[in-house]
Amino acid sequence: DAGVIQSPRHEVTEMGQEVTLRCKPISGHDYLFWYRQTMMRGLELLIYFNNNVPIDDSGMPEDRFSAKMPNASFSTLKIQPSEPRDSAVYFCASGRGPYNEQFFGPGTRLTVL
Amino acid sequence: AQKITQTQPGMFVQEKEAVTLDCTYDTSDQSYGLFWYKQPSSGEMIFLIYQGSYDEQNATEGRYSLNFQKARKSANLVISASQLGDSAMYFCAMREGRYQAGTALIFGKGTTLSVSS
Repeated sequence: DAGVIQSPRHEVTEMGQEVTLRCKPISGHDYLFWYRQTMMRGLELLIYFNNNVPIDDSGMPEDRFSAKMPNASFSTLKIQPSEPRDSAVYFCASGRGPYNEQFFGPGTRLTVL
Repeated sequence: AQKITQTQPGMFVQEKEAVTLDCTYDTSDQSYGLFWYKQPSSGEMIFLIYQGSYDEQNATEGRYSLNFQKARKSANLVISASQLGDSAMYFCAMREGRYQAGTALIFGKGTTLSVSS
């Protein structure tokens, strides 16, 4: 079974540009999470979905960030406009049921110049 | 206050030795889960082991075991017979029961483990 798939793996963009990160969770998993990892703040939750419905977006830094999950096999995280402080590794993770482990994708390394 | 504290920024161990990575947590919930993840230099996050707050026995997965001391709120990871491939960053994480079921994880800052031959 394929793991969590994220694309792109690396993204370099200029300040002000729109960035879209994509995630395909593991088939059958009903929870999807977006995390961000930086040296300063470590790993932080941005938002998570249950059955495609956003449950907690309190970690989304500001209105420039938005996330969608139009179906069970696809989610996007969009940053518009991007800023240099958004540079980080963005992880998507999925899990089956409420209490089980989460499986992480390989991450997208975003650099905003 | 930090929810997950990993006090060891770096640990060094020789091959075949055992090593303990410390993790303490802070929660007022009765129901919670504790996780350990490994992040090698390639960057992916690899799930290692899980301990539920109501589990009476310490979790074990191969060479990994979790030393769960509930009263002390600690969940230390023990790696037996270290291998060179164990060199990585290790994260302790917690899921708190007060969130809606299926909660996100709260991560510690991590401990870098270096295994030498």
